[in-house]
Amino acid sequence: SQQGEEDPQALSIQEGENATMNCSYKTSINNLQWYRQNSGRGLVHLILIRSNEREKHSGRLRVTLDTSKKSSSLLITASRAADTASYFCATHNSGYSTLTFGKGTMLLVSP
Amino acid sequence: KAGVTQTPRYLIKTRGQQVTLSCSPISGHRSVSWYQQTPGQGLQFLFEYFSETQRNKGNFPGRFSGRQFSNSRSEMNVSTLELGDSALYLCASSANPGPEGYGYTFGSGTRLTVV
Repeated sequence: SQQGEEDPQALSIQEGENATMNCSYKTSINNLQWYRQNSGRGLVHLILIRSNEREKHSGRLRVTLDTSKKSSSLLITASRAADTASYFCATHNSGYSTLTFGKGTMLLVSP
Repeated sequence: KAGVTQTPRYLIKTRGQQVTLSCSPISGHRSVSWYQQTPGQGLQFLFEYFSETQRNKGNFPGRFSGRQFSNSRSEMNVSTLELGDSALYLCASSANPGPEGYGYTFGSGTRLTVV
């Protein structure tokens, strides 16, 4: 079953703009991870934020985590056409060594 | 270093047949997980193996099975294929996704089509 729910389902922006995707989840977590998937291929791990962290940066990516609201956001700054992909949040739940994925946000960045 | 290798990349099978998919994890990674991705259900966890032992199993029928070998390579098998088994099957490896959690490295997947 899906734990994370991404919002929006789809996002279309111009190159240079920022893209923000949100994820909500239901149960307690060890960490939350964001992945990117290009055209039905494998997932690429982007960033991991642990339950005791509130914000994390990696290059043009910024992730926040609010455990009280059970939500996370992924911000991609200065988007490029190459950022066009589906983005998934995945929770790593306490006591389990598996990931539970949301349904993803499709991001389209136009030149 | 080499990534996660999944073979074959594409597969077309007939209903009722069985299929075996293979996954070679990153060297040194002992955990291998399998996920099924479909447009309707999204990404769903199938099972996870660690050091040749199945550590977790998702909510799939017994037709779905897997195993892991001593070199950490893993196979998953689907018997008596149904049309609904058409999906992208993804394998992921991790050094040891214990309570602290680590990022996973995914393979490119095997696209299975059942006709």
